[in-house]
Amino acid sequence: QKEVEQNSGPLSVPEGAIASLNCTYSDRGSQSFFWYRQYSGKSPELIMFIYSNGDKEDGRFTAQLNKASQYVSLLIRDSQPSDSATYLCAVDSTNTGNQFYFGTGTSLTVIP
Amino acid sequence: DVKVTQSSRYLVKRTGEKVFLECVQDMDHENMFWYRQDPGLGLRLIYFSYDVKMKEKGDIPEGYSVSREKKERFSLILESASTNQTSMYLCASSPTIGRSSYEQYFGPGTRLTVT
Repeated sequence: QKEVEQNSGPLSVPEGAIASLNCTYSDRGSQSFFWYRQYSGKSPELIMFIYSNGDKEDGRFTAQLNKASQYVSLLIRDSQPSDSATYLCAVDSTNTGNQFYFGTGTSLTVIP
Repeated sequence: DVKVTQSSRYLVKRTGEKVFLECVQDMDHENMFWYRQDPGLGLRLIYFSYDVKMKEKGDIPEGYSVSREKKERFSLILESASTNQTSMYLCASSPTIGRSSYEQYFGPGTRLTVT
């Protein structure tokens, strides 16, 4: 079993819709959770992080964390064509501090 | 703003050559990482370092070595490049604050082709 699993997609949504990206993780002791966006040919850039159960909102982005279910998600409201990218979920490792496990990413396309 | 720079954006090397990839960060971060990224396989950790002269193997260290002589610089070395090391190489850095893991900041990447 992989440490971090994401639906690989591709996920397509119409402009203005809500895009929902999901991630599950296996390390029950993980404390820090991150969402990165990666445009084609570019390096990942951090868009959200969450440490506590519940929701965290930042503009059009909402991260949701449920540690009991070992599940973290990212919602993108009012999706724009510029949101078209691959979204990577990252979870910290309790075995080797400061190391992350990355999912393979979900490809999102927002259709104008 | 955190800035992580990598020595080359594109690199073409021949099989058997020794290859050096350099990474420099300007935020005094303790931790530095080297990943490779391949389609369908995601980001895989090669090596990381949490202090000068310290290094830890990641998930795929075979065929690679690293050097960290100064805090701001972390080098990845391919001792004898092979075609299966053709990939995108990404360097990242992060701070250590207490016992928490903080976000990693990535460099622009080096696309290495070994022929």
